[in-house]
Amino acid sequence: EVNLLQSGGDLVQPGEFLRLSCAASGITFSNYDMSWVRQAPGKGLQWVSSISAIGDLTYYADSVRGRFTISRDNSKNTLYLQMSSLRGEDTAVYYCVKYDFLTGRRFDYWGQGVLVTVSS
Amino acid sequence: DIQMTQSPSSVSASVGDRVTITCRASQGISSWLAWYQQKPGKAPKLLIFAASSLQSGVPSRFSGSGSGTDFALTITSLQPEDFATYYCQQASTYPITFGQGTRLEIK
Repeated sequence: EVNLLQSGGDLVQPGEFLRLSCAASGITFSNYDMSWVRQAPGKGLQWVSSISAIGDLTYYADSVRGRFTISRDNSKNTLYLQMSSLRGEDTAVYYCVKYDFLTGRRFDYWGQGVLVTVSS
Repeated sequence: DIQMTQSPSSVSASVGDRVTITCRASQGISSWLAWYQQKPGKAPKLLIFAASSLQSGVPSRFSGSGSGTDFALTITSLQPEDFATYYCQQASTYPITFGQGTRLEIK
């Protein structure tokens, strides 16, 4: 059974830093691209960032590029999202998502989501 | 960026009805389209990928069609558990983009 267990959500002030983690189990983690998708309260889904299976390629939404960094540690089966210079508009539930690029380019497994609240 | 536009934004239907939700891409995306279902407080669930492929474990009353710029998700014989919000998503190119969502409500 695939499980993506997320941690790190918190209440932070504008301008601060936060790191999200996502521990994967039930898959050969190093075989798959991974992504982060967020959802602001009462709003739709927004893709944030993706990383290739071996971590050599990264992609970002314009709204987070230069502030967020996606990374992975395949030895620990863990995905990360480092978020800096946080803004109120970054307030959202953040989902860690397995991205099966080779078989249909599908977000086929999702973490439980963690809430990041940016407020003074 | 490729814009994804869903219609309608909301729809009311009854158990047993057939419902179709459409999604239009601002430029051609071949068949790189997926559909997700989301219930309140839960993570989205993949229903359809590559425009028409049914994800494992998803009931066959869900089907997808289309290619290029115009796509559709059809649910035949609505069940009570189908009332949720549905999103389309293009995976043709980065940035990956989602439609704004369609809320399916009980009539």
